[in-house]
Amino acid sequence: NAGVTQTPKFQVLKTGQSMTLQCAQDMNHEYMSWYRQDPGMGLRLIHYSVGAGITDQGEVPNGYNVSRSTTEDFPLRLLSAAPSQTSVYFCASSQNWDSATTYEQYFGPGTRLTVT
Amino acid sequence: GQSLEQPSEVTAVEGAIVQINCTYQTSGFYGLSWYQQHDGGAPTFLSYNALDGLEETGRFSSFLSRSDSYGYLLLQELQMKDSASYFCAHNAGNMLTFGGGTRLMVKP
Repeated sequence: NAGVTQTPKFQVLKTGQSMTLQCAQDMNHEYMSWYRQDPGMGLRLIHYSVGAGITDQGEVPNGYNVSRSTTEDFPLRLLSAAPSQTSVYFCASSQNWDSATTYEQYFGPGTRLTVT
Repeated sequence: GQSLEQPSEVTAVEGAIVQINCTYQTSGFYGLSWYQQHDGGAPTFLSYNALDGLEETGRFSSFLSRSDSYGYLLLQELQMKDSASYFCAHNAGNMLTFGGGTRLMVKP
């Protein structure tokens, strides 16, 4: 299993450009999420999905869109990039969101995005 | 609102024991998780406590007291490779909220 994969690894955008960060998992996980991590800080939840066709907003959703057409893929779209969106973006997945489970989330390697 | 507080930095020597504390405030709570992140890497899951008490996984243990809104991660027999950032995170129904992280430096 490849686990959680993300592309690209690095990206530089100009202010106002749009782009899509790709995320895929091959573990048949129901739950997927996107986080951003600014230098020296914790992770903040952007959007999440509890299953195909279902998405919801996290803590910092403004400026980002997501879709979940398949179980495997959960792309994150930046609508109009701003310097404040310079960050490292992590995609994560977990089997489900059942209180009886361990809540282990598997993280992808991250995408380092710079907006100039 | 929801927030988690952790010390920003902890330093310890190789072979020692270190405890990283986490206090939280939340309007809903299902459990507390701990993640490790090496510089430039992705977070990796260490442990999860849904109930009060101690969970042990090898050299790492995690403790939760729901009545005190408090938990800690205990690392024993520290090794140089344990130098990393450690995050507590609480689950409050479909969402995981992370603390700011504790940077652990292990010295020889």
